[in-house]
Amino acid sequence: NAGVTQTPKFQVLKTGQSMTLQCAQDMNHEYMSWYRQDPGMGLRLIHYSVGAGITDQGEVPNGYNVSRSTTEDFPLRLLSAAPSQTSVYFCASSRHGDSYEQYFGPGTRLTVT
Amino acid sequence: QQQVKQSPQSLIVQKGGIPIINCAYENTAFDYFPWYQQFPGKGPALLIAIRPDVSEKKEGRFTISFNKSAKQFSLHIMDSQPGDSATYFCAASIVDGNKLVFGAGTILRVKS
Repeated sequence: NAGVTQTPKFQVLKTGQSMTLQCAQDMNHEYMSWYRQDPGMGLRLIHYSVGAGITDQGEVPNGYNVSRSTTEDFPLRLLSAAPSQTSVYFCASSRHGDSYEQYFGPGTRLTVT
Repeated sequence: QQQVKQSPQSLIVQKGGIPIINCAYENTAFDYFPWYQQFPGKGPALLIAIRPDVSEKKEGRFTISFNKSAKQFSLHIMDSQPGDSATYFCAASIVDGNKLVFGAGTILRVKS
């Protein structure tokens, strides 16, 4: 099992550009989520999904879109990148009802200039 | 507003010491309290977790102490080793919910 995979590992964007961060898992987990990690702020939930076709907002959803067309994939879209979105982004998955035990991907380090 | 407050921000101990990381919460609906460990350049990984009906849980050198009345819990690392140097996050969740709320993290350095 590859677990949770994320691409790319690093990305530099200019303000106003758009991009999609990819996330996939092969553990057949129903629940998937996106977090951003900033120094001194821990991990903050951006969006999450409890199954294909179902998504919901987390703590910091503004500027990000998600969709969940399959159980395996959960891409995160930045529509118009801003410097405030410079961060490390983590995708995670877990079994439904076991949100305490999340499996994280290796992260994407995004810089917006 | 941080739903789970974690301290200290950073901690340096000598090898063999017992670092202690503390967390506090307000929402009494939380019913599962995990700790995650993160090494540089990696994603966080579940280390140990506790439910509020238990006051202590040990797994190897890692121990969680839980005080339900004070709404506080802490992580103790016995006989700490340089390989334990990492960032540690406490978190809280509602079992039937789908959200995990994290503390701000503690950067631990164990000096050899």
